[in-house]
Amino acid sequence: GENVEQHPSTLSVQEGDSAVIKCTYSDSASNYFPWYKQELGKRPQLIIDIRSNVGEKKDQRIAVTLNKTAKHFSLHITETQPEDSAVYFCAAAPGGSNYQLIWGAGTKLIIKP
Amino acid sequence: DADVTQTPRNRITKTGKRIMLECSQTKGHDRMYWYRQDPGLGLRLIYYSFDVKDINKGEISDGYSVSRQAQAKFSLSLESAIPNQTALYFCATSAPPNYGYTFGSGTRLTVV
Repeated sequence: GENVEQHPSTLSVQEGDSAVIKCTYSDSASNYFPWYKQELGKRPQLIIDIRSNVGEKKDQRIAVTLNKTAKHFSLHITETQPEDSAVYFCAAAPGGSNYQLIWGAGTKLIIKP
Repeated sequence: DADVTQTPRNRITKTGKRIMLECSQTKGHDRMYWYRQDPGLGLRLIYYSFDVKDINKGEISDGYSVSRQAQAKFSLSLESAIPNQTALYFCATSAPPNYGYTFGSGTRLTVV
């Protein structure tokens, strides 16, 4: 079955710098890759996603890139702000009609003032 | 607003007690999930249900049971709580062909 690995587990960056979180997946048929953000004490919420027929997607300061050949996808956050501090989860949806998500272990992003 | 509601939000219980966590949703989604989150760890799937008559074990189902009382309600039970079941529990819903998951606000359970 699908397996998703996420790195790093903790990332500390200076406010204003960029942050990159990377996930690798094992099932080459996986076709959907979302990123969820979980602020302290809150529920995980979808912030951006990408489908397998697209290489990159942007939404203001966040972007996701997908490399199907290498089977990895990354979340990029530019001009980081204090409110970006959170745990970020990646996930992958294996191919087929199952529509379930397989989750990465999460990355705690710390924005230093 | 359509949402996913979990009750209780916080609960402290004693070892050996039976406890039920409840999840209800107004999103009209068929699929419902229970996840457990431990500090510093990710989301681990306990049980999931694709419709009222469908119940499936996840990766960490031992010590837990579930009941899908209706399309909108999915309950998680700990028959005999133990301290290592202390965690944050999330319910989630989804509705294929949409891949997105909607999470509840979570139940923080402490077993003493």
